[in-house]
Amino acid sequence: DSGVTQTPKHLITATGQRVTLRCSPRSGDLSVYWYQQSLDQGLQFLIQYYNGEERAKGNILERFSAQQFPDLHSELNLSSLELGDSALYFCASSGGDIRYFGPGTRLTVL
Amino acid sequence: TQLLEQSPQFLSIQEGENLTVYCNSSSVFSSLQWYRQEPGEGPVLLVTVVTGGEVKKLKRLTFQFGDARKDSSLHITAAQPGDTGLYLCAGASSNYKLTFGKGTLLTVNP
Repeated sequence: DSGVTQTPKHLITATGQRVTLRCSPRSGDLSVYWYQQSLDQGLQFLIQYYNGEERAKGNILERFSAQQFPDLHSELNLSSLELGDSALYFCASSGGDIRYFGPGTRLTVL
Repeated sequence: TQLLEQSPQFLSIQEGENLTVYCNSSSVFSSLQWYRQEPGEGPVLLVTVVTGGEVKKLKRLTFQFGDARKDSSLHITAAQPGDTGLYLCAGASSNYKLTFGKGTLLTVNP
């Protein structure tokens, strides 16, 4: 158990819809990272928050947004969903270089 | 853009065999991490190598960091079905940025 929790575990929705994924980092970790994992692209970094502020952006689409709240939990919002957004979404928190990953949310867009 | 190439992409072997997977880049990293991801789970850190030429052993797993800190290898001796999973390498840069390879999917058949 990494100490990072994610909800929901599975999410099935339709194209055009909007969903919110939630993550709680390990106790004491200030950084939260979001990743998207698909078979063809591998593990792609989306965005990082540190203590409530956006720290770094990766390959995140404009239809996606994230925030980190004062209690350090984070949410990833995905809107105008397309079939190609179907993937595993992981949250990770860190102490330094090491990433501690949550169990992921499997998103299926039909 | 820093890229990490992992090879082979897929590997299926019999229990008891030895194997080596590779992680190569044209970029220099401050450290390199290896993660294992099992189905339905997030990646879990196995080891971090920091010094060029460094060799670390974790039971039947041997990790090596190249002298120039651009590449790494993972050797598994006498593989077991429990070693099955996706092996990801990740290179760390000085600003805590972590770049992941696409992984090697290992299947060890009983």
